[in-house]
Amino acid sequence: RKEVEQDPGPFNVPEGATVAFNCTYSNSASQSFFWYRQDCRKEPKLLMSVYSSGNEDGRFTAQLNRASQYISLLIRDSKLSDSATYLCVTDSGTYKYIFGTGTRLKVLA
Amino acid sequence: EAGVAQSPRYKIIEKRQSVAFWCNPISGHATLYWYQQILGQGPKLLIQFQNNGVVDDSQLPKDRFSAERLKGVDSTLKIQPAKLEDSAVYLCASTRSRTTEAFFGQGTRLTVV
Repeated sequence: RKEVEQDPGPFNVPEGATVAFNCTYSNSASQSFFWYRQDCRKEPKLLMSVYSSGNEDGRFTAQLNRASQYISLLIRDSKLSDSATYLCVTDSGTYKYIFGTGTRLKVLA
Repeated sequence: EAGVAQSPRYKIIEKRQSVAFWCNPISGHATLYWYQQILGQGPKLLIQFQNNGVVDDSQLPKDRFSAERLKGVDSTLKIQPAKLEDSAVYLCASTRSRTTEAFFGQGTRLTVV
């Protein structure tokens, strides 16, 4: 089993739609969780950290479910500019940041 | 605040040649990572440094890859000899501590022909 697993997509959604991604992790000792965004041929950039109580940043909401060992990202009112690959990251309990394969999102006009 | 600097941006070499990549992390960041990202995949951790010591290099193909971080600042990653399957983007990242967000450089795109 991979340490971090994501559905690669692509998710094709119309503008204004709400879309959600899940990511599962295998190491129950994981402490730090992040969502990164990666545009085509660019480096990953932090979208948001994920906190135990869940957190929101504008149209983006991140949740952590420790019991089921998954994190989620919800994007409301999708914009064309949200089209990118979204990477799930955990520290795997050992302070080394492990990335998922990424979920591709394409927002359609 | 200056970001993570990497060079070169692009490199094309023939198989069996050697190549080196350079990374200068954000000032004050103790932890430095090298990742390999093959097209269509997520970044794969190759090696992690804490200051100038290696924390994890379990995924580094040590028969051909080497990395160092002298004086706990700049780092170099070397491949010798290169194989076709080494074609990828090599990303350097740094963090202030082992639990804070990682900042990435723009990466070096390596093509082995």
